[in-house]
Amino acid sequence: DGGITQSPKYLFRKEGQNVTLSCEQNLNHDAMYWYRQDPGQGLRLIYYSQIVNDFQKGDIAEGYSVSREKKESFPLTVTSAQKNPTAFYLCASSMGLAGPYEQYFGPGTRLTVT
Amino acid sequence: DAKTTQPTSMDCAEGRAANLPCNHSTISGNEYVYWYRQIHSQGPQYIIHGLKNNETNEMASLIITEDRKSSTLILPHATLRDTAVYYCIANFIQGAQKLVFGQGTRLTINP
Repeated sequence: DGGITQSPKYLFRKEGQNVTLSCEQNLNHDAMYWYRQDPGQGLRLIYYSQIVNDFQKGDIAEGYSVSREKKESFPLTVTSAQKNPTAFYLCASSMGLAGPYEQYFGPGTRLTVT
Repeated sequence: DAKTTQPTSMDCAEGRAANLPCNHSTISGNEYVYWYRQIHSQGPQYIIHGLKNNETNEMASLIITEDRKSSTLILPHATLRDTAVYYCIANFIQGAQKLVFGQGTRLTINP
């Protein structure tokens, strides 16, 4: 089955630790995205990538880092510099950036930092 | 990206058509209207998009007014599984597809 996988579904960390969230897609999509969602709110864009080895900051990139070494993978690291890391994190992909392409979302990772 | 305005919540009876309005009065000529929905604690799901003309697919219909300042998403025969938060987004077709999600409309389908 084609799709986007995110792991794990739930993640718990202590304050001050970096944590990496996994996102993999087998849709052969060029573009990938990371969003954050807080309770009762819409999604906010953290980072996006158009092609391998290229990525751009979204609206709330501070305290986060990404890499795009393979087309299929776009991991997100939540660093200790992120002031409020507890949130629901969603990864998405699309065929590209330039067209009216729909984005396909993964199931999300719920991160809790205490 | 143009700002969109949606009602906070709506109710609809099962089997009836659900009509979800969206206002995007500042939309520019090269911005598409997208609709996504999010069922509780899942990733959003794409529903439909359009530029000027009305669009229909297996999930829904999208009616865009002639001046493009508003649109309506229609779920023709709502089921309980259509209960979700529905997001209307106006987005440029050039460059990054940086979707801006507002708070959406919480649609509840009642038996």
